[in-house]
Amino acid sequence: SQTIHQWPATLVQPVGSPLSLECTVEGTSNPNLYWYRQAAGRGLQLLFYSVGIGQISSEVPQNLSASRPQDRQFILSSKKLLLSDSGFYLCAWSLERGYGYTFGSGTRLTVV
Amino acid sequence: GNSVTQMEGPVTLSEEAFLTINCTYTATGYPSLFWYVQYPGEGLQLLLKATKADDKGSNKGFEATYRKETTSFHLEKGSVQVSDSAVYFCALRGAAGNKLTFGGGTRVLVKP
Repeated sequence: SQTIHQWPATLVQPVGSPLSLECTVEGTSNPNLYWYRQAAGRGLQLLFYSVGIGQISSEVPQNLSASRPQDRQFILSSKKLLLSDSGFYLCAWSLERGYGYTFGSGTRLTVV
Repeated sequence: GNSVTQMEGPVTLSEEAFLTINCTYTATGYPSLFWYVQYPGEGLQLLLKATKADDKGSNKGFEATYRKETTSFHLEKGSVQVSDSAVYFCALRGAAGNKLTFGGGTRVLVKP
């Protein structure tokens, strides 16, 4: 069966520090991968998605970046965090259209 | 582009009450429709889905019917429990695309 792992679960980082969040999927090949952010009390914002290794599409211009170094690995990064980067970050994967996404358990990031 | 509109919360109910969360969408073609649930502090879980008009998705006592004529996918449950307290997201996946478009989420609080 397919599983998705996301870590860390919580993170407190100072303004200006770097960020690296990792997401891996097991039990499937060539999944579509997604990073979403959920600000406190708000809906979901798609940040990045990837349909293959090295292929990244950015939905919202910001100081975050994403990379897909391996088929089932998706990394969200920042060189210098801003206070506004605080939120709940969710990784997800999917296959063909007609299917929904499977989400990871999320990372709660607080920038102080 | 695609969009999803769902009723704003919070919705506060007593246990065993009837729950309806309205969801309407705008999309070209024939999208797939989904309801996701997010329990406090957790990621999103797929609750139910429908992939074509007049399909009814159901799970855990929740139901939603894909109504193309009214472009709606309202979520209903006949008798809610305290454990149903969560945020519910309506979403669609376009016929030609990979991305899920989410509504803003509706927080539901069920009191004993």
